[in-house]
Amino acid sequence: QKEVEQNSGPLSVPEGAIASLNCTYSDRGSQSFFWYRQYSGKSPELIMSIYSNGDKEDGRFTAQLNKASQYVSLLIRDSQPSDSATYLCAVNPAAGGSYIPTFGRGTSLIVHP
Amino acid sequence: SQTIHQWPATLVQPVGSPLSLECTVEGTSNPNLYWYRQAAGRGLQLLFYSVGIGQISSEVPQNLSASRPQDRQFILSSKKLLLSDSGFYLCASNLLGGGEQYFGPGTRLTVT
Repeated sequence: QKEVEQNSGPLSVPEGAIASLNCTYSDRGSQSFFWYRQYSGKSPELIMSIYSNGDKEDGRFTAQLNKASQYVSLLIRDSQPSDSATYLCAVNPAAGGSYIPTFGRGTSLIVHP
Repeated sequence: SQTIHQWPATLVQPVGSPLSLECTVEGTSNPNLYWYRQAAGRGLQLLFYSVGIGQISSEVPQNLSASRPQDRQFILSSKKLLLSDSGFYLCASNLLGGGEQYFGPGTRLTVT
């Protein structure tokens, strides 16, 4: 059974700090990896996607992928109170077809002023 | 870019009543469509997905069903709701060949 594990948190960081969110996955053949942000009571919003080993930066967000170790992480620099949300990691399995991602249960991030 | 619409936004239904939730997608054609449920404080549970008109795959056997009568329309139904059907129902779409999923605003269902 494919699994995606995330620490449920909450992860509490002060405003301006770097928040580091981690995710591990069990399917070694996984091809693509995503981070979603979900504010309380709202639907998930895609914020980052990463497909190859290494870092991918987009503004204050950096996604890091290490396929050998089967983990993907999200760094949020200069954290703001508006970043307080639950962050979901999603992993797509190997091969094409219907793209059924496996989601982690999310990490709650609290950025306090 | 694609836009996903869901209605209603909120719904309160008694146990044993029927259900129909609708999802429509704009700005794309032939998308893969998905229904998820998120119970309070829980993760996303995939209920159904569809790769084309009339093609529905069920992930979790239960009293829910789904239909895709048109390319960009996806409907979630139930003949008789259970208390355990309460939750936040999300429709999602991704382009054929793409991995990113985009979610609609969701329907919050409370079964009383």
